[in-house]
Amino acid sequence: KAGVTQTPRYLIKTRGQQVTLSCSPISGHRSVSWYQQTPGQGLQFLFEYFSETQRNKGNFPGRFSGRQFSNSRSEMNVSTLELGDSALYLCASGSGTGLEDTQYFGPGTRLTVL
Amino acid sequence: AQRVTQPEKLLSVFKGAPVELKCNYSYSGSPELFWYVQYSRQRLQLLLRHISRESIKGFTADLNKGETSFHLKKPFAQEEDSAMYYCALSRTGSARQLTFGSGTQLTVLP
Repeated sequence: KAGVTQTPRYLIKTRGQQVTLSCSPISGHRSVSWYQQTPGQGLQFLFEYFSETQRNKGNFPGRFSGRQFSNSRSEMNVSTLELGDSALYLCASGSGTGLEDTQYFGPGTRLTVL
Repeated sequence: AQRVTQPEKLLSVFKGAPVELKCNYSYSGSPELFWYVQYSRQRLQLLLRHISRESIKGFTADLNKGETSFHLKKPFAQEEDSAMYYCALSRTGSARQLTFGSGTQLTVLP
């Protein structure tokens, strides 16, 4: 089985721009979660999508949004980029059901905001 | 609010020595606890979760609700155990929304 893939792997943007990141889950997985990883704040949960619906949301401003398509692929969008948005963005996929659902992480997208 | 604390950023032990990575949590409900590991140049991956009560790669972790701890232990460390270890928490049945600790970098010396 192919693992979780994320594209692009690296991005450089300037303040005020917007960016879209993509995540393709493991085949058959219906849940995709997004995390932001920074040296200062560590790993923080952004949101989770399941069957095209946002099911959980972390404590991030509305500039951070996402969506999920019918094939379970997910995109995350950040508008009006700020310097503090520079981070590694990880996505994870899972079945989305069951008590022992396991999260499989992708390699991440490294976003640098200049 | 839920919180996970890993008090040690760095931990070094010699090969064959016991190792314990500490994890404390605060959560008002009934949590699920996990240990994730990230080896050099690899992805973050699940090591073990408390509800499975498994031993993975010789590691075990016991949930102590009285002390709100979930320490990771291995009796004899190996060099290949060198990695970044993250303790994480979720509310029961919601393993998709994880709160992570800041991580402990374990180095096993030869």
